[in-house]
Amino acid sequence: DQQVKQNSPSLSVQEGRISILNCDYTNSMFDYFLWYKKYPAEGPTFLISISSIKDKNEDGRFTVFLNKSAKHLSLHIVPSQPGDSAVYFCAASASMNTGNQFYFGTGTSLTVIP
Amino acid sequence: EPEVTQTPSHQVTQMGQEVILRCVPISNHLYFYWYRQILGQKVEFLVSFYNNEISEKSEIFDDQFSVERPDGSNFTLKIRSTKLEDSAMYFCASSAMGTGELFFGEGSRLTVL
Repeated sequence: DQQVKQNSPSLSVQEGRISILNCDYTNSMFDYFLWYKKYPAEGPTFLISISSIKDKNEDGRFTVFLNKSAKHLSLHIVPSQPGDSAVYFCAASASMNTGNQFYFGTGTSLTVIP
Repeated sequence: EPEVTQTPSHQVTQMGQEVILRCVPISNHLYFYWYRQILGQKVEFLVSFYNNEISEKSEIFDDQFSVERPDGSNFTLKIRSTKLEDSAMYFCASSAMGTGELFFGEGSRLTVL
């Protein structure tokens, strides 16, 4: 049961341009969302989060947008840099309280071309 | 910067053998997790642990799996009798109370032959 979906397995973007990574979810109880970045042979690294009381959260070059009615979130990276090349996972939880499981998407592999 | 550490980084074992994967979570964190990622697939939740007991577990976490916090620093995942399909990268994670951010270790790759 895929509750969190990332339908694009890969994305290529020119350096300096915007990268947009998309994520859809099915469970309307999800109210907390995170994006993780993963390099090969390393664990996922937290990037940015958003709770359902917001529709946008920004941290430097990274912005996450949440559309609750569409059950869709996206991560914007601008400008994209070659060091951003990695696999990006979105994750969702039914509560901000830790101890609840996070459901991960299958990931989108981003390649930023110099 | 504090980090989650995992050992071993890679373990090869024969089917049917017991395996213990070890994790040292960030010291002031109270919630601990195990996730796994089979090659080419999504990161899957196995179990969460708080206050010396399991908070939540997935269908994957059957009777062959167990977790323990034997002392104040280690958090272990035991697989009693490994199967071929247990081959995966196992990630330990921890989080502080009141936040949702999980901090992951670098993973332990388990290969079952």
